[in-house]
Amino acid sequence: QKEVEQDPGPLSVPEGAIVSLNCTYSNSAFQYFMWYRQYSRKGPELLMYTYSSGNKEDGRFTAQVDKSSKYISLFIRDSQPSDSATYLCAMSGAAGNKLTFGGGTRVLVKP
Amino acid sequence: GAVVSQHPSWVICKSGTSVKIECRSLDFQATTMFWYRQFPKQSLMLMATSNEGSKATYEQGVEKDKFLINHASLTLSTLTVTSAHPEDSSFYICSASHAGGYEQYFGPGTRLTVT
Repeated sequence: QKEVEQDPGPLSVPEGAIVSLNCTYSNSAFQYFMWYRQYSRKGPELLMYTYSSGNKEDGRFTAQVDKSSKYISLFIRDSQPSDSATYLCAMSGAAGNKLTFGGGTRVLVKP
Repeated sequence: GAVVSQHPSWVICKSGTSVKIECRSLDFQATTMFWYRQFPKQSLMLMATSNEGSKATYEQGVEKDKFLINHASLTLSTLTVTSAHPEDSSFYICSASHAGGYEQYFGPGTRLTVT
């Protein structure tokens, strides 16, 4: 069993819909949780960062962490075709430590 | 801010030769740099972690004599793939973080093709 599980998709939604992504993990030592977006043949870029449990909102993006369930989510509101990419969850036990990535979910937003 | 560059962006080499990939932090001092490998439609797999001035720490299953990592300054780390073989063909991505920082800033990646 992988430390971080993520549905590979693809997840196809119409423009304007809410995109819902999630990851589950098994290591209770993880405290830092991140979501990255990766376009094809590009390096990942950080979208959201959350420390411990709770919610965080930034524009159209909302990240949620439930440490009791070992479950994290990312919601993208008012999705745009430019949001079509692979979304990777990542987590670590301490700041600056190595990240453990999920497998990534490919998202396609259709105009 | 926090820009990381990689050079080259893509490289083709013949089997048995060595190739060097550079990773630079352009506007901050990177105390720690990470090297990842990513195969098509797969996630990033950490190869090694390097701290400036120290030997790199390799992940289990990564051959340190094949993938040579040097982090000689706070803005530059290099990955040398020695005696490359076709199975080494992949997308190599570096990331960098500054002291005490939680975020890793990723480079654009280098696509290596070994023929």
